[in-house]
Order: sequence, then C-alpha cells, then structure tokens
Amino acid sequence: DGGITQSPKYLFRKEGQNVTLSCEQNLNHDAMYWYRQDPGQGLRLIYYSQIVNDFQKGDIAEGYSVSREKKESFPLTVTSAQKNPTAFYLCASMRGQVNTGELFFGEGSRLTVL
Amino acid sequence: DAKTTQPNSMESNEEEPVHLPCNHSTISGTDYIHWYRQLPSQGPEYVIHGLTSNVNNRMASLAIAEDRKSSTLILHRATLRDAAVYYCILRDGPGGGADGLTFGKGTHLIIQP
Repeated sequence: DGGITQSPKYLFRKEGQNVTLSCEQNLNHDAMYWYRQDPGQGLRLIYYSQIVNDFQKGDIAEGYSVSREKKESFPLTVTSAQKNPTAFYLCASMRGQVNTGELFFGEGSRLTVL
Repeated sequence: DAKTTQPNSMESNEEEPVHLPCNHSTISGTDYIHWYRQLPSQGPEYVIHGLTSNVNNRMASLAIAEDRKSSTLILHRATLRDAAVYYCILRDGPGGGADGLTFGKGTHLIIQP
C-alpha cells in the first residue's frame, strides 16, 4: 500500500543526545514536510523540501536538521541544541500544487527526552 | 500571511448534522480554504478544500461565504468516528512556499452518543 512510514513510533533519549527520525514515502510526491505538535496545540512547521537536494526552514527550525538525498526519504535530526525536544513529530508529503494539494501524513513519532 | 479563527471546541449529538465555522477575514483572492481533521494520536487527514464555490465530497461539504471571509465545514450526519480536531487553513498561490502550512489549534469536536 502507498503511504508515509515514520519510525520509530516511540523514542526515549537522554538529554544532550542527537536523535534521527525516519520518514519514507512511496507515493512519488516531490514535496515533504516535518511538523512538531505539542500537547493541546496545533502543528508547527519545522522544515520542508519541495524537491530532492533542496529544503527550506519552516517556523521553528532551530535545533533541527534535515536532508533530502532521495525523493522517498526525508529524515529529521533533533540535535542537542533543541531546548525542548519532547514532542510528537509528524512527517507529510504533498500531492499536487502548493495551493490546492493534499497533504498525506504519517502516523507520527513520539519523542521523549529524559 | 492570512490567518483563521475557529472555536476551541464544539459538541454535537450522534446522527445529527454538525456545522464547524471558520473565520478568515483577511483572506486574499488567491487563497484556497482547506480543512483537515486529526484523530487522537494520529496524523491529520485531508477533508476538503475550495476557493469560491461550495464543495461536496464523500466526507463533508464546504460552504463558503459570498465575501469569502468565513466558511463552514458541514458533516451531514455525525458519527462517533467523527470526533476529532478539525483544522481550517488557508493556502495561497503557486509562489506561496510554506505559507498556509502551519495548523492552528483547530476545533475539538465532541460527539455525544
């Protein structure tokens, strides 16, 4: 089945460690996105990539890094510089144009920093 | 960057219609109105989108005011599975970059059996 796969679903890490969250899609979408969601809050955009080998900062990029070496993959690294990394992380891809396109989301990765 | 305003929460009864409002008084002529919903501990899913005319699909209907400063998502017959957070967002034209890709708090819809 086509879709977005995020892993791991749950992740626990000690403070100061870098963590990489995986996001893979087999939908052949060009654009991919990473969001952060805190309890009771909406989704905030961390990074996005509209094409392979190119990505842009979103609203809250500080303390995060990404790469886009393949169309199918858009991993997110939460670095030790991110002051409050405990959150629910969502990856998405988009079918169609920016203004009319439909976002497809993965099931999310819940990161807890101890 | 156009913004939207939604009630924090709404309650409805099962098998009754639900009207979820969204205000977007600063909408521009090229902004599309999109709705997504998010079930607990899942990623959001697309519901519907429109520009000027009312839109219908298998999930819902979207009613857009004539001046486009507000819109209403209509669930014709709510079920318990429709209990979710509903987000209304605006997305602008091809040059929009990341505009409209941030989701606010949305409306938490509670369905009573």
